[in-house]
Amino acid sequence: AQSVAQPEDQVNVAEGNPLTVKCTYSVSGNPYLFWYVQYPNRGLQFLLKYITGDNLVKGSYGFEAEFNKSQTSFHLKKPSALVSDSALYFCAVREPGGFKTIFGAGTRLFVKA
Amino acid sequence: ETGVTQTPRHLVMGMTNKKSLKCEQHLGHNAMYWYKQSAKKPLELMFVYSLEERVENNSVPSRFSPECPNSSHLFLHLHTLQPEDSALYLCASSQGASGGTYEQYFGPGTRLTVT
Repeated sequence: AQSVAQPEDQVNVAEGNPLTVKCTYSVSGNPYLFWYVQYPNRGLQFLLKYITGDNLVKGSYGFEAEFNKSQTSFHLKKPSALVSDSALYFCAVREPGGFKTIFGAGTRLFVKA
Repeated sequence: ETGVTQTPRHLVMGMTNKKSLKCEQHLGHNAMYWYKQSAKKPLELMFVYSLEERVENNSVPSRFSPECPNSSHLFLHLHTLQPEDSALYLCASSQGASGGTYEQYFGPGTRLTVT
């Protein structure tokens, strides 16, 4: 069965410092992986996805994520955090050809000025 | 963010009421989804429609009834709900009828409170 784990409920980082939000997954075959962000009172917004190819994918707002097949991880990163990056981040996985996307429980990111 | 709209944004209903949530997507997508978001729990997929046909139903109680009259509109009809159904209900859409590589675009959600 597919599953996604975000091991940290909350990540705190100072503005200007690099940030990492962790995600590991369990799925058969080669999965499609996604990151979404949710700001207060808003729906989820797509940030980036890994389908195939280069293990480092770049997305919106300066975010990037690294796919590591051997570690079954897809960590979200940003070189320099902004206060406006404070939000709830969701990792998601989908099996190829499927409709069902499995979301992690979310990680709340706090960026302090 | 006007690609996917949801109405109402907030809804308070008693357990004996009947109400409907509405979702409309303006992106030309072929698939639409209903999710339930509860505090400190992962998003729960409720229903998936592809080309107006239901393709996924995640063992959702019958007090939730979806309707997809065309590829741009999705409804969630509610009746005799329970307090534990209080949550944020999110609608989403994606391009293409086969799921696959496409990301989803979400509406702002309807905050439902069942009293």
